[in-house]
Amino acid sequence: RKEVEQDPGPFNVPEGATVAFNCTYSNSASQSFFWYRQDCRKEPKLLMSVYSSGNEDGRFTAQLNRASQYISLLIRDSKLSDSATYLCVVNRVNKFYFGSGTKLNVKP
Amino acid sequence: DAGITQSPRYKITETGRQVTLMCHQTWSHSYMFWYRQDLGHGLRLIYYSAAADITDKGEVPDGYVVSRSKTENFPLTLESATRSQTSVYFCATEDLAGGSSSYNEQFFGPGTRLTVL
Repeated sequence: RKEVEQDPGPFNVPEGATVAFNCTYSNSASQSFFWYRQDCRKEPKLLMSVYSSGNEDGRFTAQLNRASQYISLLIRDSKLSDSATYLCVVNRVNKFYFGSGTKLNVKP
Repeated sequence: DAGITQSPRYKITETGRQVTLMCHQTWSHSYMFWYRQDLGHGLRLIYYSAAADITDKGEVPDGYVVSRSKTENFPLTLESATRSQTSVYFCATEDLAGGSSSYNEQFFGPGTRLTVL
């Protein structure tokens, strides 16, 4: 079983829409959680860390449910520039485990 | 100040040849990582290093060798390249100067696209 699983998408949404991604992780000992963004043929970059109490950064909101072992990312008021692949990442004992990514296409 | 660089950016080689991918950082971050990214698998950890002269295996280490004689460099060698090693390789760093790795950001290099014929 994969450490981190995500729906690959693509999610095709119009500008201004709200879109949500989920991912699940298999190891309950996972310690910290992140969402990274990866543009086509580029390196991944940190979008936001995910805290147990949930956290928000502008239009982006991340939630963690340790009991169900899933992480979510909500994007409000989608912009064309949000089109990318979103990677769910968990950390355990200084190792990072990446999901395969969820592709988002925001259309005019 | 480029932060983290990888070379070469593109490489085509033949089965059985030895290939070395270079990774260099200017930050002096303690941790460095090598990942490969393939369709359907996401990024998978090959090897990582906590400091100079300390390396450890990740999820998919077979067929790869690493070394870290200096903090800033972390080369990855494919001893005898195989077609299954065709992939995009990313090097990354993480600064653990503050303690545990909880919520420390990883910084990625631009990647090396390797094709093994």
